[in-house]
Amino acid sequence: GNSVTQMEGPVTLSEEAFLTINCTYTATGYPSLFWYVQYPGEGLQLLLKATKADDKGSNKGFEATYRKETTSFHLEKGSVQVSDSAVYFCALIRAGGTSYGKLTFGQGTILTVHP
Amino acid sequence: NAGVTQTPKFRVLKTGQSMTLLCAQDMNHEYMYWYRQDPGMGLRLIHYSVGEGTTAKGEVPDGYNVSRLKKQNFLLGLESAAPSQTSVYFCASSYSDFLAGGPGNEQFFGPGTRLTVL
Repeated sequence: GNSVTQMEGPVTLSEEAFLTINCTYTATGYPSLFWYVQYPGEGLQLLLKATKADDKGSNKGFEATYRKETTSFHLEKGSVQVSDSAVYFCALIRAGGTSYGKLTFGQGTILTVHP
Repeated sequence: NAGVTQTPKFRVLKTGQSMTLLCAQDMNHEYMYWYRQDPGMGLRLIHYSVGEGTTAKGEVPDGYNVSRLKKQNFLLGLESAAPSQTSVYFCASSYSDFLAGGPGNEQFFGPGTRLTVL
């Protein structure tokens, strides 16, 4: 079956530091890949996505590249801010067929950024 | 637009009690979902619906029932609550694959309901 594995957290950084959150997946074919973010007390919001190999998703200074050869979708940001403190989830929708009910999440990584 | 709303925000139940969580969306989405979020486990799908009048089981459906009588509402019921159902529950909705141009469409999440079963 499909699965998503994220680096264990929590991750604690100082403001303006470089961020990497690793995400690897197991799936047949070419799934669509996502990063969702959950700010304290809120629901999840889509941060970025990529739907085919070598695609780069980007939003709010965050980037992730769909790497088929390493089955990875690592999240990066060059200079984090205190406002980036949140929980980050990597997720996938299986390739082919319909997408309903098929979003598979990783366990989430807690990011805390200090001033 | 309010997006996806959930009622209530917090609830405490005793073992064996029943309750219904309400999810409403005003985006005319076809698909709706109920997830539970537990520490270290990400989100797991409980039930989902691909349209008014339809429901289907997700990854962890036992102990829950759902109904989609109106397109904009998706109800999650607990008939006899158990401590193992203590969790944060999230509702989500999305466009159909056809309208979104294929799989990979965004799911929009509500703010969550924190449920404690004693």
